[in-house]
Amino acid sequence: AQTVTQSQPEMSVQEAETVTLSCTYDTSESNYYLFWYKQPPSRQMILVIRQEAYKQQNATENRFSVNFQKAAKSFSLKISDSQLGDTAMYFCAFCAPRGKSTFGDGTTLTVKP
Amino acid sequence: DTGVSQDPRHKITKRGQNVTFRCDPISEHNRLYWYRQTLGQGPEFLTYFQNEAQLEKSRLLSDRFSAERPKGSFSTLEIQRTEQGDSAMYLCASSPDRGGDGYTFGSGTRLTVV
Repeated sequence: AQTVTQSQPEMSVQEAETVTLSCTYDTSESNYYLFWYKQPPSRQMILVIRQEAYKQQNATENRFSVNFQKAAKSFSLKISDSQLGDTAMYFCAFCAPRGKSTFGDGTTLTVKP
Repeated sequence: DTGVSQDPRHKITKRGQNVTFRCDPISEHNRLYWYRQTLGQGPEFLTYFQNEAQLEKSRLLSDRFSAERPKGSFSTLEIQRTEQGDSAMYLCASSPDRGGDGYTFGSGTRLTVV
Protein backbone atom coordinates (compact mmCIF):
# COMPACT_ATOMS: atom_id res chain seq x y z
CA ALA A 1 0.00 0.00 0.00
CA GLN A 2 1.13 3.52 -0.73
CA THR A 3 1.70 6.06 2.04
CA VAL A 4 2.11 9.82 1.81
CA THR A 5 3.76 11.85 4.56
CA GLN A 6 3.62 15.60 5.02
CA SER A 7 5.89 16.40 7.94
CA GLN A 8 4.93 20.06 8.34
CA PRO A 9 1.47 20.40 9.92
CA GLU A 10 1.60 24.20 9.83
CA MET A 11 3.67 26.81 8.04
CA SER A 12 3.54 30.56 7.61
CA VAL A 13 5.13 32.97 5.14
CA GLN A 14 5.13 36.68 4.58
CA GLU A 15 3.30 38.02 1.57
CA ALA A 16 5.54 38.13 -1.54
CA GLU A 17 8.02 35.66 -0.04
CA THR A 18 8.71 32.08 -1.15
CA VAL A 19 7.73 28.97 0.79
CA THR A 20 8.35 25.26 0.25
CA LEU A 21 6.05 22.49 1.46
CA SER A 22 7.47 19.00 1.87
CA CYS A 23 6.04 15.63 0.91
CA THR A 24 7.48 12.13 0.88
CA TYR A 25 5.80 8.95 -0.27
CA ASP A 26 6.38 5.24 -0.31
CA THR A 27 5.49 2.93 -3.17
CA SER A 28 6.69 -0.07 -5.11
CA GLU A 29 5.10 1.19 -8.31
CA SER A 30 7.35 2.49 -11.07
CA ASN A 31 4.73 4.49 -12.94
CA TYR A 32 2.47 6.85 -11.05
CA TYR A 33 1.34 10.46 -10.69
CA LEU A 34 1.81 12.99 -7.92
CA PHE A 35 -0.38 15.96 -7.15
CA TRP A 36 -0.70 18.96 -4.90
CA TYR A 37 -4.22 20.06 -4.00
CA LYS A 38 -5.29 23.25 -2.25
CA GLN A 39 -8.25 23.44 0.14
CA PRO A 40 -9.06 27.02 1.19
CA PRO A 41 -11.00 27.48 4.44
CA SER A 42 -14.55 26.18 4.03
CA ARG A 43 -14.10 25.79 0.27
CA GLN A 44 -13.68 22.85 -2.02
CA MET A 45 -10.40 21.22 -2.88
CA ILE A 46 -8.79 22.19 -6.17
CA LEU A 47 -5.87 20.76 -8.12
CA VAL A 48 -2.77 22.96 -8.06
CA ILE A 49 -0.14 20.99 -9.96
CA ARG A 50 0.58 17.47 -11.22
CA GLN A 51 3.72 15.48 -11.98
CA GLU A 52 4.12 12.29 -13.99
CA ALA A 53 6.69 9.97 -12.44
CA TYR A 54 8.30 9.04 -15.75
CA LYS A 55 9.01 12.70 -16.56
CA GLN A 56 12.23 14.02 -15.08
CA GLN A 57 11.37 17.64 -15.72
CA ASN A 58 9.76 19.33 -12.75
CA ALA A 59 6.24 20.66 -13.32
CA THR A 60 5.52 24.40 -13.14
CA GLU A 61 2.21 26.28 -13.03
CA ASN A 62 2.68 30.04 -12.78
CA ARG A 63 3.90 30.74 -9.21
CA PHE A 64 3.76 27.05 -8.25
CA SER A 65 6.55 24.59 -9.00
CA VAL A 66 7.62 21.21 -7.71
CA ASN A 67 10.91 19.54 -6.89
CA PHE A 68 10.43 15.89 -7.78
CA GLN A 69 13.16 13.51 -6.59
CA LYS A 70 12.06 10.04 -7.69
CA ALA A 71 14.89 8.10 -6.09
CA ALA A 72 14.34 9.83 -2.77
CA LYS A 73 10.54 9.58 -3.19
CA SER A 74 10.23 13.26 -2.43
CA PHE A 75 7.79 15.76 -3.98
CA SER A 76 7.95 19.28 -2.58
CA LEU A 77 5.86 22.30 -3.61
CA LYS A 78 7.36 25.76 -3.95
CA ILE A 79 5.11 28.79 -3.93
CA SER A 80 6.78 31.96 -5.15
CA ASP A 81 5.57 35.52 -4.54
CA SER A 82 3.07 34.27 -1.93
CA GLN A 83 -0.32 35.97 -1.94
CA LEU A 84 -2.97 36.24 0.77
CA GLY A 85 -5.21 34.02 -1.36
CA ASP A 86 -2.69 31.22 -1.05
CA THR A 87 -3.75 30.74 2.59
CA ALA A 88 -5.16 27.21 2.63
CA MET A 89 -4.52 23.63 3.55
CA TYR A 90 -2.31 21.88 0.99
CA PHE A 91 -2.47 18.16 0.37
CA CYS A 92 0.07 16.01 -1.40
CA ALA A 93 -1.42 13.01 -3.20
CA PHE A 94 -0.08 9.87 -4.85
CA CYS A 95 -2.08 8.35 -7.68
CA ALA A 96 -1.58 4.75 -8.73
CA PRO A 97 -2.04 3.76 -12.38
CA ARG A 98 -5.49 2.38 -11.52
CA GLY A 99 -6.52 5.92 -10.62
CA LYS A 100 -7.06 5.73 -6.85
CA SER A 101 -5.27 8.48 -4.94
CA THR A 102 -3.75 8.39 -1.46
CA PHE A 103 -3.52 11.72 0.36
CA GLY A 104 -1.23 13.05 3.06
CA ASP A 105 -2.60 14.72 6.17
CA GLY A 106 -1.95 18.19 4.82
CA THR A 107 0.00 21.33 5.65
CA THR A 108 -1.86 24.44 6.78
CA LEU A 109 -0.24 27.45 5.14
CA THR A 110 -0.89 30.97 6.38
CA VAL A 111 0.26 33.93 4.31
CA LYS A 112 0.77 36.99 6.50
CA PRO A 113 0.40 40.55 5.20
CA ASP B 1 -20.95 21.90 -16.96
CA THR B 2 -21.23 23.06 -13.35
CA GLY B 3 -18.55 20.78 -11.93
CA VAL B 4 -19.12 18.10 -9.30
CA SER B 5 -22.29 18.62 -7.26
CA GLN B 6 -23.02 17.09 -3.87
CA ASP B 7 -26.29 17.08 -2.00
CA PRO B 8 -27.01 17.88 0.76
CA ARG B 9 -24.28 20.26 1.90
CA HIS B 10 -25.01 19.55 5.55
CA LYS B 11 -26.81 16.71 7.31
CA ILE B 12 -27.53 16.35 11.01
CA THR B 13 -28.92 12.99 12.05
CA LYS B 14 -29.58 11.05 15.22
CA ARG B 15 -27.46 8.05 16.02
CA GLY B 16 -28.97 4.90 14.55
CA GLN B 17 -30.65 6.62 11.60
CA ASN B 18 -29.81 5.94 7.96
CA VAL B 19 -28.52 8.69 5.67
CA THR B 20 -27.97 8.93 1.93
CA PHE B 21 -25.79 11.37 0.04
CA ARG B 22 -25.81 12.12 -3.66
CA CYS B 23 -23.01 13.08 -6.03
CA ASP B 24 -23.33 14.28 -9.63
CA PRO B 25 -19.95 14.12 -11.37
CA ILE B 26 -18.75 16.01 -14.42
CA SER B 27 -20.66 14.39 -17.25
CA GLU B 28 -17.61 13.45 -19.34
CA HIS B 29 -15.85 11.78 -16.39
CA ASN B 30 -16.08 8.00 -16.19
CA ARG B 31 -14.52 7.66 -12.75
CA LEU B 32 -16.18 8.66 -9.51
CA TYR B 33 -14.62 8.53 -6.04
CA TRP B 34 -15.87 8.83 -2.48
CA TYR B 35 -13.58 9.99 0.30
CA ARG B 36 -14.12 10.84 3.96
CA GLN B 37 -12.31 13.70 5.66
CA THR B 38 -12.19 14.48 9.36
CA LEU B 39 -10.93 17.73 10.86
CA GLY B 40 -7.20 18.20 10.37
CA GLN B 41 -6.79 15.04 8.32
CA GLY B 42 -6.38 14.24 4.67
CA PRO B 43 -9.12 12.60 2.62
CA GLU B 44 -9.47 8.88 3.33
CA PHE B 45 -10.47 6.61 0.45
CA LEU B 46 -13.86 4.90 0.68
CA THR B 47 -14.69 3.54 -2.76
CA TYR B 48 -14.59 4.27 -6.48
CA PHE B 49 -16.41 3.50 -9.70
CA GLN B 50 -15.50 3.15 -13.34
CA ASN B 51 -18.81 3.92 -15.04
CA GLU B 52 -21.35 1.79 -13.14
CA ALA B 53 -18.82 -0.78 -11.88
CA GLN B 54 -17.60 -0.45 -8.30
CA LEU B 55 -13.91 -1.29 -8.66
CA GLU B 56 -12.70 -1.05 -5.08
CA LYS B 57 -14.05 -0.54 -1.58
CA SER B 58 -11.88 0.31 1.39
CA ARG B 59 -11.35 -2.52 3.84
CA LEU B 60 -11.73 0.06 6.58
CA LEU B 61 -15.39 0.42 5.74
CA SER B 62 -17.90 -1.54 7.67
CA ASP B 63 -20.89 -3.22 6.06
CA ARG B 64 -22.98 -0.22 7.13
CA PHE B 65 -21.61 1.72 4.16
CA SER B 66 -22.80 1.10 0.63
CA ALA B 67 -22.45 3.02 -2.61
CA GLU B 68 -24.06 2.78 -6.01
CA ARG B 69 -23.68 4.39 -9.38
CA PRO B 70 -26.60 3.25 -11.52
CA LYS B 71 -26.18 3.81 -15.24
CA GLY B 72 -22.74 5.29 -14.65
CA SER B 73 -24.04 8.76 -13.93
CA PHE B 74 -24.76 10.07 -10.42
CA SER B 75 -23.75 8.11 -7.33
CA THR B 76 -25.24 7.63 -3.88
CA LEU B 77 -23.50 6.80 -0.63
CA GLU B 78 -25.64 5.32 2.13
CA ILE B 79 -24.69 4.91 5.75
CA GLN B 80 -26.95 2.66 7.80
CA ARG B 81 -27.33 2.80 11.58
CA THR B 82 -25.13 5.87 11.88
CA GLU B 83 -22.68 6.19 14.76
CA GLN B 84 -21.03 9.29 16.22
CA GLY B 85 -17.75 8.19 14.66
CA ASP B 86 -19.32 8.61 11.23
CA SER B 87 -19.36 12.39 11.70
CA ALA B 88 -17.11 13.78 8.97
CA MET B 89 -17.02 15.53 5.62
CA TYR B 90 -17.86 13.16 2.78
CA LEU B 91 -16.17 14.19 -0.44
CA CYS B 92 -17.01 13.12 -3.96
CA ALA B 93 -14.62 13.56 -6.87
CA SER B 94 -14.58 12.59 -10.51
CA SER B 95 -11.91 12.16 -13.15
CA PRO B 96 -11.51 11.06 -16.76
CA ASP B 97 -10.39 7.50 -17.43
CA ARG B 98 -6.79 8.44 -16.85
CA GLY B 99 -6.19 8.84 -13.13
CA GLY B 100 -3.21 10.98 -13.96
CA ASP B 101 -5.44 13.90 -14.87
CA GLY B 102 -6.27 14.46 -11.22
CA TYR B 103 -9.59 14.82 -9.50
CA THR B 104 -12.30 17.45 -9.60
CA PHE B 105 -13.86 17.61 -6.16
CA GLY B 106 -17.32 18.57 -5.04
CA SER B 107 -17.95 20.82 -2.06
CA GLY B 108 -18.65 17.85 0.19
CA THR B 109 -21.45 16.80 2.53
CA ARG B 110 -20.82 17.49 6.20
CA LEU B 111 -22.43 14.82 8.37
CA THR B 112 -23.02 15.35 12.07
CA VAL B 113 -24.33 12.42 14.10
CA VAL B 114 -25.84 13.44 17.44
